[in-house]
Amino acid sequence: DTAVSQTPKYLVTQMGNDKSIKCEQNLGHDTMYWYKQDSKKFLKIMFSYNNKELIINETVPNRFSPKSPDKAHLNLHINSLELGDSAVYFCASSRTASGPQHFGDGTRLSIL
Amino acid sequence: GIQVEQSPPDLILQEGANSTLRCNFSDSVNNLQWFHQNPWGQLINLFYIPSGTKQNGRLSATTVATERYSLLYISSSQTTDSGVYFCAANRGNEKLTFGTGTRLTIIP
Repeated sequence: DTAVSQTPKYLVTQMGNDKSIKCEQNLGHDTMYWYKQDSKKFLKIMFSYNNKELIINETVPNRFSPKSPDKAHLNLHINSLELGDSAVYFCASSRTASGPQHFGDGTRLSIL
Repeated sequence: GIQVEQSPPDLILQEGANSTLRCNFSDSVNNLQWFHQNPWGQLINLFYIPSGTKQNGRLSATTVATERYSLLYISSSQTTDSGVYFCAANRGNEKLTFGTGTRLTIIP
């Protein structure tokens, strides 16, 4: 009965590759998010979707492209991976755009 | 955007002690949340508390919105309380801004 689930948990890949991270929530929430947590534990939002529509798009390289096929799913595709993309990526959801957020367990991305 | 500052950055306590973590924010907010990131990296939402006081077991939180701060109290600390505690805030539909966290270590 996992609320927010992300796959994969770990992703190790080479520089220049393209990879995707999937996220699904079964809470019936309208809003979903992608966050990046760097090596110093700093959490920063990347994107937010409300009912499949993009509402927040922070200053993120356009190599990162979110896709929301329906309001229960928000996937993140990353092209041409770079060393600086190594981080933990968290998906989250909330009932409304200003409501309490619930996080997935994170995807640890390591670029070789 | 809103600035969020947390103090102290690090806290080491003996099991059984009480602690108070502080979060200051730079402007009025309508959304204030506390999270615990455990040693396995999981982020758990502890409180959604834009104003007032809430309690959940040994944890409680108070937000004084007019003075732009929130406090998280942990009583009778246990080793499972170790981890990083984050405060996050926003106003309206702006992005949620996280503080840099307080790393709490509880020694048995």
